[in-house]
Amino acid sequence: NAGVTQTPKFRILKIGQSMTLQCTQDMNHNYMYWYRQDPGMGLKLIYYSVGAGITDKGEVPNGYNVSRSTTEDFPLRLELAAPSQTSVYFCASSDTGVDGYTFGSGTRLTVV
Amino acid sequence: KQEVTQIPAALSVPEGENLVLNCSFTDSAIYNLQWFRQDPGKGLTSLLLIQSSQREQTSGRLNASLDKSSGRSTLYIAASQPGDSATYLCAARDYGQNFVFGPGTRLSVLP
Repeated sequence: NAGVTQTPKFRILKIGQSMTLQCTQDMNHNYMYWYRQDPGMGLKLIYYSVGAGITDKGEVPNGYNVSRSTTEDFPLRLELAAPSQTSVYFCASSDTGVDGYTFGSGTRLTVV
Repeated sequence: KQEVTQIPAALSVPEGENLVLNCSFTDSAIYNLQWFRQDPGKGLTSLLLIQSSQREQTSGRLNASLDKSSGRSTLYIAASQPGDSATYLCAARDYGQNFVFGPGTRLSVLP
């Protein structure tokens, strides 16, 4: 049972480049989330989705975009990467709005 | 806006000690609260989930309590082991769609 799978695990981007962080879950969860974690800080919510075709902004959405065309996939797109987007990105899912989270292993992104 | 804090920020104890990690939240209107463990460079592993109607949850040597009225949760680790060394995060789920995370407590258990 794979759970939540994130790719890539590591990536270095140059300022102004774009990329997509992939997230896939095989648990048929409706809810999916993207968080970023900066050193010494708690996780901050970027975007979330309550089901296919539905997405909404979290606390820190600027500079990111998401889509949810299927239940399984929730990619996060970075356009015009900036050094402030250097962080570790985590994808998570939950079955309902009141269940606990299952996390992916994270993507460590560095923008230089 | 919900805010979650954790005290202490770091803790170092000798092996075998019982210890308590604290989590506080500002808005008592929560659905549930979840404790996670994070090893360096790794993702988050769920430890315990306490629903708002529950007072505590137990798993092995771990016990988590929840007091909504005071806005507090504690994670009790019995007979600590070096393998327990990690960062422990608590997260409170509010009536929105997401968990609000604390900054974590970094635990070192010395052999």
